[in-house]
Amino acid sequence: DTGVSQDPRHKITKRGQNVTFRCDPISEHNRLYWYRQTLGQGPEFLTYFQNEAQLEKSRLLSDRFSAERPKGSFSTLEIQRTEQGDSAMYLCASSLGISTTTDTQYFGPGTRLTVL
Amino acid sequence: AQSVTQLGSHVSVSEGALVLLRCNYSSSVPPYLFWYVQYPNQGLQLLLKYTSAATLVKGINGFEAEFKKSETSFHLTKPSAHMSDAAEYFCAVTARFAEYGNKLVFGAGTILRVKS
Repeated sequence: DTGVSQDPRHKITKRGQNVTFRCDPISEHNRLYWYRQTLGQGPEFLTYFQNEAQLEKSRLLSDRFSAERPKGSFSTLEIQRTEQGDSAMYLCASSLGISTTTDTQYFGPGTRLTVL
Repeated sequence: AQSVTQLGSHVSVSEGALVLLRCNYSSSVPPYLFWYVQYPNQGLQLLLKYTSAATLVKGINGFEAEFKKSETSFHLTKPSAHMSDAAEYFCAVTARFAEYGNKLVFGAGTILRVKS
């Protein structure tokens, strides 16, 4: 069990550029989640996957944001035409996802995005 | 709908003193509750969770929390603070059953400072 990993850990980009983040969940975890955390705030839910199916998206996930989990393993989060307001820590979490009850989410170290 | 209120954005205690971090929640469905800790520039680490088995929950590093339904509270305590406890702490709520959604709803966080 190597934990949830995220790449890159830090990303600095210029306004208007596209960026893509990767998340590798804990092996055999079926659910994968993305959250965004801005300075001084708690994480806010963006979206989650059950295997490869994207089951819920937050209103925070504008049409500039897209997330995929093509084979039910790793996931990518892409932000197109970045804006300064996108600067935040992007957190990925995974959970086992085999029960009808909610299970514990384990978080990765996050990707810190700075948009200049 | 769910929400979390953490009373006190900053709490300062002396080393060896009692730690009390307050969390009140609101949930229209049976909840699960979590406390996570975040060290600077890192992801979230699970401290403890309430999943309806026992109202007094013990976690890692000597922390515990008590679920009080009548008060809609889930306060975090530790009898004796250590310098290494200095971090930001987040309380989170989610629905007990996955059919109501799996997302965590976080409070704004409490920064714990431990004075020597």
